[in-house]
Amino acid sequence: DTAVSQTPKYLVTQMGNDKSIKCEQNLGHDTMYWYKQDSKKFLKIMFSYNNKELIINETVPNRFSPKSPDKAHLNLHINSLELGDSAVYFCASSELAGGLSYEQYFGPGTRLTVT
Amino acid sequence: KQEVTQIPAALSVPEGENLVLNCSFTDSAIYNLQWFRQDPGKGLTSLLLIQSSQREQTSGRLNASLDKSSGRSTLYIAASQPGDSATYLCAVKAGSARQLTFGSGTQLTVLP
Repeated sequence: DTAVSQTPKYLVTQMGNDKSIKCEQNLGHDTMYWYKQDSKKFLKIMFSYNNKELIINETVPNRFSPKSPDKAHLNLHINSLELGDSAVYFCASSELAGGLSYEQYFGPGTRLTVT
Repeated sequence: KQEVTQIPAALSVPEGENLVLNCSFTDSAIYNLQWFRQDPGKGLTSLLLIQSSQREQTSGRLNASLDKSSGRSTLYIAASQPGDSATYLCAVKAGSARQLTFGSGTQLTVLP
């Protein structure tokens, strides 16, 4: 019954490694998002995909590469991890087409710790 | 560029008090505004969604208002309880992708 799910929930890795976070939504939404919450708890948009097409890339280093194999999935791959990448990453989904005011649903978050 | 500000950053009240959390945003061209709750180490729980054409929304002890022209929203919590202790986040939906821009949150502590 989980609407937006993310795996893994926790990820601890060393600097320089490459890692991926997966996100899936079963709400039939056409738009998915990745947000980053930093150590000061500030949430900021990173990427948005609509029907597998990238529509937002908010000045995120190109070490971060989102991939959307279909509109129900938006995975986040991070190359050459750095200490500053440590944060909680939230996936979200919403309906974009056909309406402007739909609610956005969030996943439980993935806490990434880079050592 | 849209900026969202929440005041106060932290608030501590005794149980039973009514309280108001404030949110302001710089660009009134929004689609909607959402209030979320975040418990420590947890994800986001959506509390209330106000469409840009609405003035307020109510859910139980919570009431959210929106004044789009002045760029302000308030979240009113009646008869606060210790279980209301959490960080409350305000977010506005705007932009071509309808992405959310978040405030920095108000950390609420309700003392028993």
